[in-house]
Amino acid sequence: AQSVTQLGSHVSVSEGALVLLRCNYSSSVPPYLFWYVQYPNQGLQLLLKYTSAATLVKGINGFEAEFKKSETSFHLTKPSAHMSDAAEYFCAVSVFGGTSYGKLTFGQGTILTVHP
Amino acid sequence: DAGVTQSPTHLIKTRGQHVTLRCSPISGHKSVSWYQQVLGQGPQFIFQYYEKEERGRGNFPDRFSARQFPNYSSELNVNALLLGDSALYLCASSPRQEAILDTQYFGPGTRLTVL
Repeated sequence: AQSVTQLGSHVSVSEGALVLLRCNYSSSVPPYLFWYVQYPNQGLQLLLKYTSAATLVKGINGFEAEFKKSETSFHLTKPSAHMSDAAEYFCAVSVFGGTSYGKLTFGQGTILTVHP
Repeated sequence: DAGVTQSPTHLIKTRGQHVTLRCSPISGHKSVSWYQQVLGQGPQFIFQYYEKEERGRGNFPDRFSARQFPNYSSELNVNALLLGDSALYLCASSPRQEAILDTQYFGPGTRLTVL
């Protein structure tokens, strides 16, 4: 079975500062990894995904994440935070095959607060 | 183009009742997945349907069931509601059965409150 651990349920940064949201995964087979963002009272929006191509993945809104197999990590970064980045972020893992080709296993989420 | 739509937006039920939640995928998308998101937690996978057949099921009791119609819309049914079923129910659609290879688009969810 796959699992994801997001380190830090709340992260607070100043506008213009680096954003770093941490995600570690567990999987016995090569994983697919995802970052989603959820704004209040909305569904989830895909930021980026890793599917075994380049280890540095660039997503929307200036976010990127690096797959590090040796550290089983997939941390999300953005060089300069914007007020509009305030939201909850979810890391998710999946594998090809298994019980379902559609199953995502999500972490607990990290709430990002951006201060002026 | 319209995104994934879900109805109703909010729902209040009492323990023991049943509920039906509805999802309309993006036009052309044949795969629909359902997730339960309890307050303060990440979403948990309930079902995936593709071409009207169940293609995956999460660790949920038999009180939870779903179906997909010829137009690829889907219903999630929950019987004998418990307080713990209170959650945001999310629907996601994608073009193929191999949904993880595509971008899964999520709807805004149905907020279910069980009293």
